[in-house]
Amino acid sequence: EVQLVQSGAEVKKPGESLKISCKASGYRFTGSWIGWVRQMPGRGLEWMGLIWPGDSDTRYSPSFQGQVTISADKSISTASLQWSSLKASDTAMYYCARAEMATTYYFDSWGQGTLVTVSS
Amino acid sequence: QSVLTQPPSVSGAPGQRVTISCTGSSSNIGAGFDVHWYRQLPETAPQLLIYANTNRPSGVPDRFSGSKSGTSASLAITGLQAEDEADYYCQSYDSSLRGSVFGGGTMLTVL
Repeated sequence: EVQLVQSGAEVKKPGESLKISCKASGYRFTGSWIGWVRQMPGRGLEWMGLIWPGDSDTRYSPSFQGQVTISADKSISTASLQWSSLKASDTAMYYCARAEMATTYYFDSWGQGTLVTVSS
Repeated sequence: QSVLTQPPSVSGAPGQRVTISCTGSSSNIGAGFDVHWYRQLPETAPQLLIYANTNRPSGVPDRFSGSKSGTSASLAITGLQAEDEADYYCQSYDSSLRGSVFGGGTMLTVL
């Protein structure tokens, strides 16, 4: 069974750094893309980017390019999303998800989400 | 606003059929990119319902079906049940934005 288990909720202050994680199991980690999706409070889903853990090839949404860093450590089957300097507007639920391909990729398994709250 | 437009809300009585539309343009759905659908129950992660326009993952009931034509796609739910009350999202790829895009989401209310 495919499982994606995300790290726990975080409360941070503006300007602080943060790295959240997504541990995969039940499939070959290096054989599928992993994506990150943001959901701000009361809002819809936003695609942030994807990583291929096999070689760390990374694709970012233009909206998130330069704002976050997506990485993966294949030795521990874990993908990560990090910020160097958080803003209040980063407050959101963040989901990781495994991506499979048709003519476009789709997310067939999702983590439970990590709630990030940024407040002074 | 999302490049994929969904109605903010739809509703139906138990047992009825409802459809949710997802309208795009020539840079996404109209360019031939597949459309996928997700359901998000309250306070839970999204779940894949339909992939590549018409395909159901194993475990998804055949009450759910998808279609695509031109620059639009639709999700149909038949035999509406109370547990179908959720938010529904479409997803595709946009060549102008060079990335995946989600619709704004549709809240389904079962009356």
